[in-house]
Amino acid sequence: AQSVSQHNHHVILSEAASLELGCNYSYGGTVNLFWYVQYPGQHLQLLLKYFSGDPLVKGIKGFEAEFIKSKFSFNLRKPSVQWSDTAEYFCAVNADNQGGKLIFGQGTELSVKP
Amino acid sequence: EAGVAQSPRYKIIEKRQSVAFWCNPISGHATLYWYQQILGQGPKLLIQFQNNGVVDDSQLPKDRFSAERLKGVDSTLKIQPAKLEDSAVYLCASSLEQGALYEQYFGPGTRLTVT
Repeated sequence: AQSVSQHNHHVILSEAASLELGCNYSYGGTVNLFWYVQYPGQHLQLLLKYFSGDPLVKGIKGFEAEFIKSKFSFNLRKPSVQWSDTAEYFCAVNADNQGGKLIFGQGTELSVKP
Repeated sequence: EAGVAQSPRYKIIEKRQSVAFWCNPISGHATLYWYQQILGQGPKLLIQFQNNGVVDDSQLPKDRFSAERLKGVDSTLKIQPAKLEDSAVYLCASSLEQGALYEQYFGPGTRLTVT
């Protein structure tokens, strides 16, 4: 069965620190990869996505993620976090033979100290 | 444009009672999803509709959960009878069409507490 693993449950950073959140998936076929974000009191929204092509994808608010096929990873990065990035971040995978079905990781809570 | 609407936002029931959740997707979206998000976990797909037909309900506990989307627009998810382990946030999402290329837009969720 496909699964998604996010390495960190809770990350605490100071403003201006660099961020990297790990995401690994288990599926041997073609995948589409996503990062979703849930800000406090708001609903889940798409941060960025990868379907094909350049493995380095850029999303909203300065976030980027790199797909490394050999490592089954899709880590999220941001060079300098802001207090407003405090949120929960979810990695999700869609296998190409399962329509729109998303399999989510357990989430990483990011707290940014001002 | 209006987002995905869900009601109620919160519900507290006792075990063995029944409960229903309602979702109104974004206008024109053919695909509707119901997810269950247990505290500390990511959302898990329960059921996916394409218009008024079920595409995937492989993870829906059919002995107690049911869902419908009769006219291909609004949808209801029902639990009868509820168990303690059903305590979770129930998320509805919609997309223009099915397939990963179409972004899923999520509603605010319904937080269910079963006591």
